[in-house]
Amino acid sequence: EAGVAQSPRYKIIEKRQSVAFWCNPISGHATLYWYQQILGQGPKLLIQFQNNGVVDDSQLPKDRFSAERLKGVDSTLKIQPAKLEDSAVYLCASTFGSYNEQFFGPGTRLTVL
Amino acid sequence: TQLLEQSPQFLSIQEGENLTVYCNSSSVFSSLQWYRQEPGEGPVLLVTVVTGGEVKKLKRLTFQFGDARKDSSLHITAAQTGDTGLYLCAGRPRGAQKLVFGQGTRLTINP
Repeated sequence: EAGVAQSPRYKIIEKRQSVAFWCNPISGHATLYWYQQILGQGPKLLIQFQNNGVVDDSQLPKDRFSAERLKGVDSTLKIQPAKLEDSAVYLCASTFGSYNEQFFGPGTRLTVL
Repeated sequence: TQLLEQSPQFLSIQEGENLTVYCNSSSVFSSLQWYRQEPGEGPVLLVTVVTGGEVKKLKRLTFQFGDARKDSSLHITAAQTGDTGLYLCAGRPRGAQKLVFGQGTRLTINP
């Protein structure tokens, strides 16, 4: 079974530029999450999708971050414009099952200069 | 807002020693999970505990869920260099489909 795929793995941009990340979850997993993990901290939930609908985006900075999940499969997360404090690893996870056990992709490491 | 506090944040010990990592909260969780994350990779699920007082063993790792389902511990016996990594606890709040993560414990096992 293929795991969660993310791309790109690394991205370096200058502040005020825009950037997009892509995630392909495990086949059949209806729920998809985007997390932000700042160095030395645990993952922080940005947005949760159930199929192609948003379940929770309470911690998504909506003035600069946006996300979509077309057809309930792939998802993209966009930052526009980026700030220095957005430097982090962006993790995508998908899940199935009663206890919300999550399968994570390798993440995208974003550096904003 | 449910918060999970992990302690210690950093731990460096010699191979062969035992260690315990703690995950505490003032909130009740319906389940709690432990993940391990290595550099450049996403977290990988180690275990899920559901019932208060539950103990699960995974080779040299022992996981316990507190009786009140507010805390958990991870005990490693005879640590090996391959145990090095970031250990994350994550709780599922009651009625929610999301996880709340602790800040992690960075474990280094020295040869």
